[in-house]
Amino acid sequence: EVQLLESGGGLVQPGGSLRLSCAASGFTFSGYAMSWVRQAPGKGLEWVSGISDSGDGTYYADSVKGRFTISRDNSKNTLYLQMNSLRAEDTALYYCAKPYYGSGRGSFDSWGQGTLVTVSS
Amino acid sequence: QTVLTQPPSMSGAPGQRVTISCTGTSSNIGAGYDVHWYQQFPGTAPKLLIRGNNKRPSGVPDRFSGSKSGTSASLAITGLQAEDEADYYCQSYDSSLSGSYVVFGGGTKLTVV
Repeated sequence: EVQLLESGGGLVQPGGSLRLSCAASGFTFSGYAMSWVRQAPGKGLEWVSGISDSGDGTYYADSVKGRFTISRDNSKNTLYLQMNSLRAEDTALYYCAKPYYGSGRGSFDSWGQGTLVTVSS
Repeated sequence: QTVLTQPPSMSGAPGQRVTISCTGTSSNIGAGYDVHWYQQFPGTAPKLLIRGNNKRPSGVPDRFSGSKSGTSASLAITGLQAEDEADYYCQSYDSSLSGSYVVFGGGTKLTVV
């Protein structure tokens, strides 16, 4: 059974940093691209960032480009999201998502439970 | 602003058929990228409902179906049930001069009245 367990969320001041983690199990982690998707309170889903299966390719939404860095450690089956220069509009529940196909361009068939990031002074 | 456009809300009576639209452009749905649909209940993670325009993952009732034509896609729910009351999101891929991205619709809140 696929399991994705996010952690690292919390309350941070504007301009601060946080590092999210997503521990994966139940599938061959190194064979799949992975993504982070966020959902602001009462709002819709927003894709944030994606990374190739090897980690060589990284992709970002314009809203976070230059501030967030996605990475992965295939030896630890873990996905990361380093978030710097956080803004109030980054407040959201951050989900780790696994694609149905390894390439990551298609649908997401497994999601974690999310970790809440609150940016406020 | 969201790249894919969905109606913010829809409603239907039990047993009825409802169709949720998802409108894109020539850089996403119209470019041939697949459309996927998710169902989300309050306080829970999204669940994949339809993948690859019209394919139901195992366990999804055949009351749910998807279609795609041109720059739009639709999710149809027949025999509406109270348990179908949820938020529904479409998702595709967008490729333009500014880059390539996963894109979502703004979501549709379905109420079973």
